[in-house]
Amino acid sequence: SNDLTQPPAVSVSPGQTATIMCSGNKLGEKYTCWYQQKPGQSPVLVIYQDTKRPSGIPERFSGSNSGNTAALTISGAQAMDEADYYCQAWDAYRVLFGGGTKLTVL
Amino acid sequence: QVTLRESGPALVKPTQTLTLTCTLSGFSLNTTGMCVNWIRQTPGKALQWLARIDWEDDKFYNKSLKTRLTISKDTSKTQVLLTMTNMGPVDTGTYFCARNEYSAKSGYGGIDFWGQGALVTVSS
Repeated sequence: SNDLTQPPAVSVSPGQTATIMCSGNKLGEKYTCWYQQKPGQSPVLVIYQDTKRPSGIPERFSGSNSGNTAALTISGAQAMDEADYYCQAWDAYRVLFGGGTKLTVL
Repeated sequence: QVTLRESGPALVKPTQTLTLTCTLSGFSLNTTGMCVNWIRQTPGKALQWLARIDWEDDKFYNKSLKTRLTISKDTSKTQVLLTMTNMGPVDTGTYFCARNEYSAKSGYGGIDFWGQGALVTVSS
């Protein structure tokens, strides 16, 4: 089983807002990251330290983290955002991953 | 630019030991704050963190796999090795090496650069 819990699938219509949740014990006390992975590709960092976007990641990607839940929000989802998304948290020296969420844009 | 490249056998037999190499370019493990992780992805798609080595040569392991894993770096700091003993079919998957940075001021950032992954199949 995974240390962090994500829904297996989320769907969104183009232009609408998609939110993917990630839950874990006292997750709000840990820095959380989010990764996007498209078929046949390596994961790409889209959010780090709960809310920060790496250079080159569109502004429509945002993150939050509080209590036991972190969230990735994609505002104005586009077809190119269809992918698997993974949350990840730093827990002392350990790296925890969620099981992944398949985002469908249709 | 920063790149990481995994190399190693594509096929190993059950009970054998797997050795994977990650070749670094564009950054050095001599640099304060630099870390390299090994992460695998099973056919069911889940990501699992295996181990990390940092600029001070500190090593960290997934508790459930700790007895089977060894991470190390070469003296030139351009390669990171991972060995995993007693391989079994459940260890089949894609093995990634990936970089993260640590700052004493702000803590861990994200895992910002990943290799393309090395597919390892365990079968007799």
